[in-house]
Amino acid sequence: GAVVSQHPSRVICKSGTSVKIECRSLDFQATTMFWYRQFPKQSLMLMATSNEGSKATYEQGVEKDKFLINHASLTLSTLTVTSAHPEDSSFYICSARTHDTDTQYFGPGTRLTVL
Amino acid sequence: GQNIDQPTEMTATEGAIVQINCTYQTSGFNGLFWYQQHAGEAPTFLSYNVLDGLEEKGRFSSFLSRSKGYSYLLLKELQMKDSASYLCPRTGYALNFGKGTSLLVTP
Repeated sequence: GAVVSQHPSRVICKSGTSVKIECRSLDFQATTMFWYRQFPKQSLMLMATSNEGSKATYEQGVEKDKFLINHASLTLSTLTVTSAHPEDSSFYICSARTHDTDTQYFGPGTRLTVL
Repeated sequence: GQNIDQPTEMTATEGAIVQINCTYQTSGFNGLFWYQQHAGEAPTFLSYNVLDGLEEKGRFSSFLSRSKGYSYLLLKELQMKDSASYLCPRTGYALNFGKGTSLLVTP
């Protein structure tokens, strides 16, 4: 149980394009999903928290107009990196939890490379 | 803040036992997690301690002392695949992971 998937696992795109990353909870309903970013040899940094059916809460320093988050259902959240630039190249990881637990289960991550 | 403190790096030998310590700020504490993260991969959940004491799960055990703001992860019969970073975030609205402890298991 508690499986979270992410798609795609790896994406390479040109500078200026937009990339959408999907995060799905496969066997549970995720009332809350989190999006993290991790640069090489750095710690996971929380970007935003999304609750199903409401707007995402962004961490300080994360541009909400650049990183669009949608959590339209209890099993799906999407992160869209708009007008991607090389400095957006990173490992993006989502996690999900249910309303009755603090345990977060992580997706396998998406490695984004912007050329 | 959550002020998690862990050793940055540890090295241990295959087959041995290693203890990874974690101290944290106790105010507003509800529970503490341990996650394992291999290089280039997402974290995987190991344990969640809410009450004092030791919880065992196979080769891995996690201990918590709420009064001392202290936890440890005990890994027995170390295997090469246990080389990874070990993270001990505290509960909160979101988890503060820090860099964790990088464990290297050598032959």
